[in-house]
Amino acid sequence: GEDVEQSLFLSVREGDSSVINCTYTDSSSTYLYWYKQEPGAGLQLLTYIFSNMDMKQDQRLTVLLNKKDKHLSLRIADTQTGDSAIYFCAESFYGGATNKLIFGTGTLLAVQP
Amino acid sequence: ETGVTQTPRHLVMGMTNKKSLKCEQHLGHNAMYWYKQSAKKPLELMFVYSLEERVENNSVPSRFSPECPNSSHLFLHLHTLQPEDSALYLCASSRTSGGADTQYFGPGTRLTVL
Repeated sequence: GEDVEQSLFLSVREGDSSVINCTYTDSSSTYLYWYKQEPGAGLQLLTYIFSNMDMKQDQRLTVLLNKKDKHLSLRIADTQTGDSAIYFCAESFYGGATNKLIFGTGTLLAVQP
Repeated sequence: ETGVTQTPRHLVMGMTNKKSLKCEQHLGHNAMYWYKQSAKKPLELMFVYSLEERVENNSVPSRFSPECPNSSHLFLHLHTLQPEDSALYLCASSRTSGGADTQYFGPGTRLTVL
């Protein structure tokens, strides 16, 4: 079945770059997403990339997609303490009558001042 | 604010209680979703509604009963729950349930079953 994997934890210093990695199994995914979840909150859509793209940049965020290796990464430049949160990778695919999102278990990003 | 609200934000209930979770979206979307987020597990899709019709039911126990009276509102009725049902229940909406429409999430209801 479809599976999305992420490392559980990443610690960086404020001002450094963070790179959060994700691997997925379904090669028919149409879009791949990054969501952010702060404590006590729901999921906030950060960015997404269409499966025929290699890279997408949005201000401090850079998404890289290696479709051959089914590897997705999120780079956060100049990481701030406000970036501390859990980051979820998700792949979408069309199954049955609906477009489904398959989520990873999330990566906890801890930013040290 | 994502345009998706959920109430209550926190709920504690006994195994014999009946309660309901409410979700409302102000985005003009036609599809709504319930997800369950348990500790150390990926988000699990529970139900999908499109234009008030249930289009997906992911093998969810019958003690969870969804209701979608219109495209802006979604409920999850709970009865005879088990302690392992304690989790964060997230509602989401998207423009349609097909294609690649982005899902927008509410803040969730933290449910504790005693």
